[in-house]
Amino acid sequence: EDQVTQSPEALRLQEGESSSLNCSYTVSGLRGLFWYRQDPGKGPEFLFTLYSAGEEKEKERLKATLTKKESFLHITAPKPEDSATYLCAVRYYNTDKLIFGTGTRLQVFP
Amino acid sequence: NAGVTQTPKFQVLKTGQSMTLQCAQDMNHNSMYWYRQDPGMGLRLIYYSASEGTTDKGEVPNGYNVSRLNKREFSLRLESAAPSQTSVYFCASSPGQDLNTEAFFGQGTRLTVV
Repeated sequence: EDQVTQSPEALRLQEGESSSLNCSYTVSGLRGLFWYRQDPGKGPEFLFTLYSAGEEKEKERLKATLTKKESFLHITAPKPEDSATYLCAVRYYNTDKLIFGTGTRLQVFP
Repeated sequence: NAGVTQTPKFQVLKTGQSMTLQCAQDMNHNSMYWYRQDPGMGLRLIYYSASEGTTDKGEVPNGYNVSRLNKREFSLRLESAAPSQTSVYFCASSPGQDLNTEAFFGQGTRLTVV
């Protein structure tokens, strides 16, 4: 069965303390992996798309990487405004469906 | 640009009542989705539509029906609401299978069934 698993469930960081979030998948025939940010009471907001192993994308303090079995979202020197839930989703061949993981809730303290 | 618009934003239903959640997008997208989000469960796909007139079940379709009225609109219907359907519902759209790009989400409908 195709699955998407995110870890850790929750992460508390001090401002400036770098860390990584993990998204592992068992989807066969991956077409794309997507990272989203979700603030409380709002819909998910798109961050990155990764299509093939070895690909990397960066935006401000965030960097997403992809291997054949997992993706990492690296957060460098986070700030309190980076606090949010980070979701990953996968899309596999022959469909346009997006399957989400359960998310990582990140809290960054000053 | 409105993007994806969901109505209503909040709703309280009694067990057994029916209602329809509305979703409309103005981006000329082919694919549309309905998800539910529960604490600790992430986003779970209820139904998906690849184009006008087509729908497909997702991970948790039981108790729901959908209708892709036209290219812009995708509605979700609860025929007989149950407390287990208390959740936040999100509608999303994406350009389509050929483009394989990101989906855009609405702001959600918070539904409580008492």
